[in-house]
Amino acid sequence: SQQGEEDPQALSIQEGENATMNCSYKTSINNLQWYRQNSGRGLVHLILIRSNEREKHSGRLRVTLDTSKKSSSLLITASRAADTASYFCATDGGSSNTGKLIFGQGTTLQVKP
Amino acid sequence: DGGITQSPKYLFRKEGQNVTLSCEQNLNHDAMYWYRQDPGQGLRLIYYSQIVNDFQKGDIAEGYSVSREKKESFPLTVTSAQKNPTAFYLCASSRWGLDGELFFGEGSRLTVL
Repeated sequence: SQQGEEDPQALSIQEGENATMNCSYKTSINNLQWYRQNSGRGLVHLILIRSNEREKHSGRLRVTLDTSKKSSSLLITASRAADTASYFCATDGGSSNTGKLIFGQGTTLQVKP
Repeated sequence: DGGITQSPKYLFRKEGQNVTLSCEQNLNHDAMYWYRQDPGQGLRLIYYSQIVNDFQKGDIAEGYSVSREKKESFPLTVTSAQKNPTAFYLCASSRWGLDGELFFGEGSRLTVL
């Protein structure tokens, strides 16, 4: 079952612009994570935000979490061509200490040079 | 360097054949996971293991089998009972009880001829 739903499914921007991706989920969570996947490769963890946090930063990444709306957003500022990838949100579905994550279907980001 | 190694990267199978995908990690992680990814889709959990000699079914376990005889290894067998096995398979691991951040291998692409 899919927990997270990303929006938009695809996004195309010019280098230097900001990219915003949204994720909605259905159940309570302990944390929400964002991952990146280059074409044909494995996923790489970007950032984790806990249910009691509202915003978190890591370099050019900014993640927000609104548990009342069951939604999160990932903002990539000053995008680069190397940011071209698919981005997935993942939640633990409220279960703790299992590491069992439920992934959304992802947003495909294309950054044009 | 520590990480997760999946092999083979590409695999072709005739219908009716079982195939085994290898996953080895040297991160000393307790938990390991197998996910399936179809084109343009998110990840779906096949099996996961939190400890040696124990594993649980995920959302789409039918037609698959696993074993966890060693902490470092979590092979996945795609059996002939799996009706639509062509997909990209991703193995991951995580430290037990630490927010479940997953570390992924580079994936194995299985094609049924």
